[in-house]
Amino acid sequence: QVQLQESGPGLVKPSETLSLTCTVSGGSISSYYWSWIRQPPGKGLEWIGYIYYSGSTNYNPSLKSRVTISVDTSKNQFSLKLSSVTAADTAVYYCARVMVTMVRGVKAGYYYYMDVWGKGTTVTVSS
Amino acid sequence: SYELTQPPSVSVSPGQTARITCSGDALPKKYAYWYQQKSGQAPVLVIYEDSKRPSGIPERFSGSSSGTMATLTISGAQVEDEADYYCYSTDSSGNHRGGVVFGGGTKLTVL
Repeated sequence: QVQLQESGPGLVKPSETLSLTCTVSGGSISSYYWSWIRQPPGKGLEWIGYIYYSGSTNYNPSLKSRVTISVDTSKNQFSLKLSSVTAADTAVYYCARVMVTMVRGVKAGYYYYMDVWGKGTTVTVSS
Repeated sequence: SYELTQPPSVSVSPGQTARITCSGDALPKKYAYWYQQKSGQAPVLVIYEDSKRPSGIPERFSGSSSGTMATLTISGAQVEDEADYYCYSTDSSGNHRGGVVFGGGTKLTVL
């Protein structure tokens, strides 16, 4: 059974870069997409972006200029970097596995959705 | 940018049916997904492709979609179903292929 674990600093200074790693255990990182999602205190979920094991990425347009997601298949890990952080980036950050399905019919298309999540890690931006 | 709209809160008594709605202009052409998030925990997928239930999810959870609205129904809601529920779908704004979006979330109270 695949499990995901986020790791990284819990405190980041304003204007610096937030860096987190997600370690995948119980399965291979290959052949899947992997995602980062965050949740500010008391607020809803926000998708940050996802990466295919081969390295191709897709980012939330509202964060794209500051986000980099990368993958290290040799370590079964993928990572998030968010630059120039402010207090608004304070949140619980989750990593997740992404399932991709191709559907035919009335609602035809490719669908990306998260089916396995890590427990989340809290990152606070403060001086 | 594309948005999915949910009511902030829904309240039912134990044993009653809870219905949580999600509206979005692209839902006639795009599937909706539903996540349950209990306090302090990571989200869990409870419905995918409008109405399919992952293994391990109780049968009292069901989903439907009609026009621009998707609905999560919990038949005979139990106290342990109290949680935040988020709908989720493809970003259909036309400017971002492959993007995804969450609704704002609905807090379900069962008491």
